Amino acid sequence: EAGVAQSPRYKIIEKRQSVAFWCNPISGHATLYWYQQILGQGPKLLIQFQNNGVVDDSQLPKDRFSAERLKGVDSTLKIQPAKLEDSAVYLCASSLDFGQGRDGYTFGSGTRLTVV
Amino acid sequence: GQNIDQPTEMTATEGAIVQINCTYQTSGFNGLFWYQQHAGEAPTFLSYNVLDGLEEKGRFSSFLSRSKGYSYLLLKELQMKDSASYLCAVPFSGGYNKLIFGAGTRLAVHP
Repeated sequence: EAGVAQSPRYKIIEKRQSVAFWCNPISGHATLYWYQQILGQGPKLLIQFQNNGVVDDSQLPKDRFSAERLKGVDSTLKIQPAKLEDSAVYLCASSLDFGQGRDGYTFGSGTRLTVV
Repeated sequence: GQNIDQPTEMTATEGAIVQINCTYQTSGFNGLFWYQQHAGEAPTFLSYNVLDGLEEKGRFSSFLSRSKGYSYLLLKELQMKDSASYLCAVPFSGGYNKLIFGAGTRLAVHP
């Protein structure tokens, strides 16, 4: 089966600019996650969707970050305006249903964002 | 709350055995995952433990003790390609099973 697709692979922007990332999960996966991974750290969950609804966005900096999954399939994550500390890899992951069991979570290749 | 601890860095020699430990604190338990992550790449699934004991899969084995909040990943016959970060992760049962990660252990395998 096709994996989780993400684009772009790399992005360099200046601070205060805006940027958007796209994710297409595995077909049929109801749950979609966006993670932020700063260099040298483990991934941190930003937002979790179940179909097209948000079930957890407790760690999303809502003053600058937004995400949507309008049709319950692909998703976009936006940052506006970007700050230097947003430099990180943004990982998208999907799961059949709340990541139950060993078949839980599949990750995309990520988007590496550099803010200068 | 959730808390996951693992060593920051480890080094080992090609052909040797290395054990990477992970301790966790969680309210409720829905299993524990180990992921491998090469630099610049996405995490890839290595193992999932939900019951106590050792699960072996080729050169990699994973152990879980739920009473101690402890797991380890055992890598045998180390190869250079095993140089990577190893992430311990636990689904947060109180929050729609969102996966909470430790900071990861960077393993360097030397000839």
